[in-house]
Amino acid sequence: SAVISQKPSRDICQRGTSLTIQCQVDSQVTMMFWYRQQPGQSLTLIATANQGSEATYESGFVIDKFPISRPNLTFSTLTVSNMSPEDSSIYLCSASNRLAGNNEQFFGPGTRLTVL
Amino acid sequence: AQSVAQPEDQVNVAEGNPLTVKCTYSVSGNPYLFWYVQYPNRGLQFLLKYITGDNLVKGSYGFEAEFNKSQTSFHLKKPSALVSDSALYFCAVRGLSGGYQKVTFGIGTKLQVIP
Repeated sequence: SAVISQKPSRDICQRGTSLTIQCQVDSQVTMMFWYRQQPGQSLTLIATANQGSEATYESGFVIDKFPISRPNLTFSTLTVSNMSPEDSSIYLCSASNRLAGNNEQFFGPGTRLTVL
Repeated sequence: AQSVAQPEDQVNVAEGNPLTVKCTYSVSGNPYLFWYVQYPNRGLQFLLKYITGDNLVKGSYGFEAEFNKSQTSFHLKKPSALVSDSALYFCAVRGLSGGYQKVTFGIGTKLQVIP
């Protein structure tokens, strides 16, 4: 298994500003993902963070709004840019290690974002 | 497009009684199926998975799930519910979608175990 930590755990931000969320995994993993979880809704995949290359974004999500970095096999960041109240949500970092034969995903505790 | 349906928003069960949380899926090819649990203010935790083999899979905290290919279902079960099982449960499927492997989560079912 992998233990995932996220910073910050929560934040309240003003409209038009940006927030960067950090995700740290305690071991090297092949895959890292960023999800959004809105109240009463399922998890929505934002993008897959690729080590050393541009992230792969899902339909409806773009790099200008959600730039992602993944400089190594244990760390990734998600930035929520030019925020609006509609971006208020929980953002979850996730990882899996396909090379180890694990198909399940491990999740961080989430970052609760409120945009005023 | 692949999908996961959890038809019940909430399931209430008395402590000590058996519980079932339902999940059906739609996917191209052979499915990989998962159950996750989310406690308040926490991330999702992996419970169990079906990849291949025995249709009945056992997981953490005494939970098990039965894969039924003909009914495309993967219901989560536990013989005797505990109050501490109260949480949000997510079913997920991994399969080919748009040419690459993708995981789709259900909307979640809130389990309330009544003392």
